[in-house]
Amino acid sequence: GENVEQHPSTLSVQEGDSAVIKCTYSDSASNYFPWYKQELGKRPQLIIDIRSNVGEKKDQRIAVTLNKTAKHFSLHITETQPEDSAVYFCAASIGDYKLSFGAGTTVTVRA
Amino acid sequence: EPEVTQTPSHQVTQMGQEVILRCVPISNHLYFYWYRQILGQKVEFLVSFYNNEISEKSEIFDDQFSVERPDGSNFTLKIRSTKLEDSAMYFCASTEETSASLFGPGTRLLVL
Repeated sequence: GENVEQHPSTLSVQEGDSAVIKCTYSDSASNYFPWYKQELGKRPQLIIDIRSNVGEKKDQRIAVTLNKTAKHFSLHITETQPEDSAVYFCAASIGDYKLSFGAGTTVTVRA
Repeated sequence: EPEVTQTPSHQVTQMGQEVILRCVPISNHLYFYWYRQILGQKVEFLVSFYNNEISEKSEIFDDQFSVERPDGSNFTLKIRSTKLEDSAMYFCASTEETSASLFGPGTRLLVL
């Protein structure tokens, strides 16, 4: 089955700096890659997603890039703010079906 | 904006007891899922459900687990005889065919 690796496991950034989280996947058939933000005790919230026919997608301060050849995708958060502090999970799936999640990255934005 | 809902928010049970976790997916969604998240770990897929039957299940989803869509709105996960290691947050999710999975708020299950 699909195996998603995520790095780093923790990330501390100064407010205003950028944060980058990287994920790799194993199944070349995977074609849908969402990113979820999870605050403590809350549900995972979709923040951005990308499909394999696109190399990059941006939504305000958040962007995701996908390299199908290398089977990796990354989340970029620019101009980080304290409210960006959370656990971020990458995921991969074939179609929009069952998701295989990475282990998560705990992001702390220092004021 | 429509949301997936789940009840109860918390459930404490004794080992060996049966629990039923309930979910109301978004009304026009066709695919339903249960995931679980053990404290501090990643979200793990349990089972997917489409067209009134299980479409895929993970190794975690053994004979102690079952799912049901008893009516047009509810989607339930039953654990027949709970074990200590079943303690986790259980998330229901749903999706249309071409949209992202949206998660419910979760049920925190504690097995004593």
